[in-house]
Amino acid sequence: ETGVTQSPTHLIKTRGQQVTLRCSSQSGHNTVSWYQQALGQGPQFIFQYYREEENGRGNFPPRFSGLQFPNYSSELNVNALELDDSALYLCASSPGLAGDLLAETQYFGPGTRLLVL
Amino acid sequence: AQSVTQLDSQVPVFEEAPVELRCNYSSSVSVYLFWYVQYPNQGLQLLLKYLSGSTLVKGINGFEAEFNKSQTSFHLRKPSVHISDTAEYFCAVSDPAGFQKLVFGTGTRLLVSP
Repeated sequence: ETGVTQSPTHLIKTRGQQVTLRCSSQSGHNTVSWYQQALGQGPQFIFQYYREEENGRGNFPPRFSGLQFPNYSSELNVNALELDDSALYLCASSPGLAGDLLAETQYFGPGTRLLVL
Repeated sequence: AQSVTQLDSQVPVFEEAPVELRCNYSSSVSVYLFWYVQYPNQGLQLLLKYLSGSTLVKGINGFEAEFNKSQTSFHLRKPSVHISDTAEYFCAVSDPAGFQKLVFGTGTRLLVSP
């Protein structure tokens, strides 16, 4: 039990639609990262937020966007869904920022499985 | 850029036998190293990590890993596996000088049979 929760657990959307996935981090965890895990692959880094500001981004297009709120919750928004967006989306939180050893352990939620038809 | 190679996509083993899951990484800078386990339809659970200090790292559920800088490896070992260890195992690296972007390998499926 990591204390990180995600909702919904499963979601089905059609191509072109928009989706919002939600994550609730542990209290005190100021950093949240989002990962996309396609079937049979390792997770791929999407982006990271620290204290409500984007702190780094992977190789994902701008239609992937995020928000982080002061209450340790966060959102991943994906616009104009494509079939290849079908994946397990994981959020991970940590208590600090790079350079702080406490921050180097990320605690993952159970994920949201998105299917785009 | 960093990368992680997990050479074995699947490792079958009998219960109570020892197992080693291999992980090699590529990086031009020093790295932090992690092993995560993923049970079916679940998220990732941290098994162990190497940040600094002793190169032999002990984790949960009886797993351990050894950081070998000269061979750029971080192999995961367990002396005696259980049926419940059946899962997907991911090796990951991050750059201590950067933000906490984890770069994962493609995973190794450990299949433990009676």
